Amino acid sequence: KQEVTQIPAALSVPEGENLVLNCSFTDSAIYNLQWFRQDPGKGLTSLLLIQSSQREQTSGRLNASLDKSSGRSTLYIAASQPGDSATYLCAVYAGGTSYGKLTFGQGTILTVHP
Amino acid sequence: NAGVTQTPKFRILKIGQSMTLQCTQDMNHNYMYWYRQDPGMGLKLIYYSVGAGITDKGEVPNGYNVSRSTTEDFPLRLELAAPSQTSVYFCASSYSLAYNEQFFGPGTRLTVL
Repeated sequence: KQEVTQIPAALSVPEGENLVLNCSFTDSAIYNLQWFRQDPGKGLTSLLLIQSSQREQTSGRLNASLDKSSGRSTLYIAASQPGDSATYLCAVYAGGTSYGKLTFGQGTILTVHP
Repeated sequence: NAGVTQTPKFRILKIGQSMTLQCTQDMNHNYMYWYRQDPGMGLKLIYYSVGAGITDKGEVPNGYNVSRSTTEDFPLRLELAAPSQTSVYFCASSYSLAYNEQFFGPGTRLTVL
């Protein structure tokens, strides 16, 4: 059974700092991995999707990497801003007969203070 | 293009009552999903649909039912609500399984007392 773990559970940093959020998964046979942002009381916003054949994806100040063999992904946020404060979730898709099911981690709560 | 919309945003039910959570997407996606999110936890799949008229169970289907009569709509029915169903419910959709970037609605916060 696929399990997804995110470390740390919470992170508080000063504005301007570069930071890394970690995601690990137990079964490396994934089809893709998706990073989401969730603001308090809101839905999930897709940030980046990395296909299994890719090593990384970039969007603005965000860079996500994927190492399938070690079962790890990292989300790098450059020059953090208070507006980046949110919960960040990673989710993996196993493909095949898993019918689109995403397996989620518990999330990392990020606080960026001015 | 509104994406995925859900109604209601909030609802309080008494034990034993029933209700339907509505979900609509305007992206012409074939694949739709219902997840629940409990406090401090990731999301768990309740039901999914691969197209109109086709639905199947996810990880935690007990106490719920779904139907999919159109591409756009995927309602979730709660029968005989129980306190264990207190959660935030998210509907999502994707264009294909091969790519499977899922887009989520804003959620429905349900409390069962």
